[in-house]
Amino acid sequence: DQQVKQNSPSLSVQEGRISILNCDYTNSMFDYFLWYKKYPAEGPTFLISISSIKDKNEDGRFTVFLNKSAKHLSLHIVPSQPGDSAVYFCAALHNAGNMLTFGGGTRLMVKP
Amino acid sequence: DSGVTQTPKHLITATGQRVTLRCSPRSGDLSVYWYQQSLDQGLQFLIQYYNGEERAKGNILERFSAQQFPDLHSELNLSSLELGDSALYFCASSVGGRSSYEQYFGPGTRLTVT
Repeated sequence: DQQVKQNSPSLSVQEGRISILNCDYTNSMFDYFLWYKKYPAEGPTFLISISSIKDKNEDGRFTVFLNKSAKHLSLHIVPSQPGDSAVYFCAALHNAGNMLTFGGGTRLMVKP
Repeated sequence: DSGVTQTPKHLITATGQRVTLRCSPRSGDLSVYWYQQSLDQGLQFLIQYYNGEERAKGNILERFSAQQFPDLHSELNLSSLELGDSALYFCASSVGGRSSYEQYFGPGTRLTVT
């Protein structure tokens, strides 16, 4: 049973436009959410996070939105750059532990 | 560079064999986590150690075991290897506890079982 889902395996966006990556979760005991970026042959790199007590967190070009009632979060990248092309994973932290539960990832391709 | 190192980078071995993967956490981090990423699956949590003690267990097979040493480096031991164990194995570290939620990942070890 996948508790964290990224329903879009891939997304293609033009350079300069907005990229929106989505993530849904089912476990209401998750209280912290993170986004990781992964390039081929490298480990995932932490990007941005949000606590369940907030609905938005912004860091430069990256903004994460959390809709607790819908159990949905999204990552917005504005403006998108070719260097953003990578696989993006959302992950969730249970309020009783430290293990991350990852979604399956979305491959973002930003075209010049 | 995350500061987490993993060795070896690649490992090719035969079914039935045993291998050891090594991880050195970032300086100051007390927690080490192991994840498996198979071809058709996302990252699956295996096990966490905090300051030498097992803290959490995920979908780790009985054929797999791990430990964290006094210098905080960790080893993941995989035995009686099967073809399905071929995967990328990542180690991550964090300060520990819930004071720092972000985990920092190493570059991974690609294991191929033939």
